[in-house]
Amino acid sequence: EPEVTQTPSHQVTQMGQEVILRCVPISNHLYFYWYRQILGQKVEFLVSFYNNEISEKSEIFDDQFSVERPDGSNFTLKIRSTKLEDSAMYFCASHPSSYNEQFFGPGTRLTVL
Amino acid sequence: DAKTTQPPSMDCAEGRAANLPCNHSTISGNEYVYWYRQIHSQGPQYIIHGLKNNETNEMASLIITEDRKSSTLILPHATLRDTAVYYCIVRISGTSYGKLTFGQGTILTVHP
Repeated sequence: EPEVTQTPSHQVTQMGQEVILRCVPISNHLYFYWYRQILGQKVEFLVSFYNNEISEKSEIFDDQFSVERPDGSNFTLKIRSTKLEDSAMYFCASHPSSYNEQFFGPGTRLTVL
Repeated sequence: DAKTTQPPSMDCAEGRAANLPCNHSTISGNEYVYWYRQIHSQGPQYIIHGLKNNETNEMASLIITEDRKSSTLILPHATLRDTAVYYCIVRISGTSYGKLTFGQGTILTVHP
């Protein structure tokens, strides 16, 4: 069964550094999302992406964040200058055009020191 | 999206049915009830969704009251692997895209 994959599974970085989190959505899916979950807290929506542009973004998704689908398969989340409070699990999700069931990846644990 | 209320935690014995309630008293006519679960910090997993009729799939059953103000997710024969956080989410379906708004969910613990 096809699944969403994410790399790396764990990323450790120093505060102020840039990180890129990568996701490979299911191949025929057209709608893509990033969510995050700070340890012990609820899953929070960051951004949705369709047709090579952002559809919606949350207040969390400020100028430090950007998303890209550079090659038609990967979907990336970039954090330009990480802060301690960016430490969290980051989940990618996708779904095809005619469904609203979102398929989630296993997540990337980002630790900012 | 309408707000949902779920109990923070529930227990269930292995092999028994787990009945997880959700209140969504402000649900509107075009909003569906979705259930997802999250097993130990893995990515959330879709379980089932419905509008007003009861639904069943290979994972669970969803019972929605006639007034649609509440629903119950039923895991008919809970196993230890069903221990997870269960999220009830109300949102408009039929749209091409749309974020999921997660609450705190119900921590279901299935014990031997």
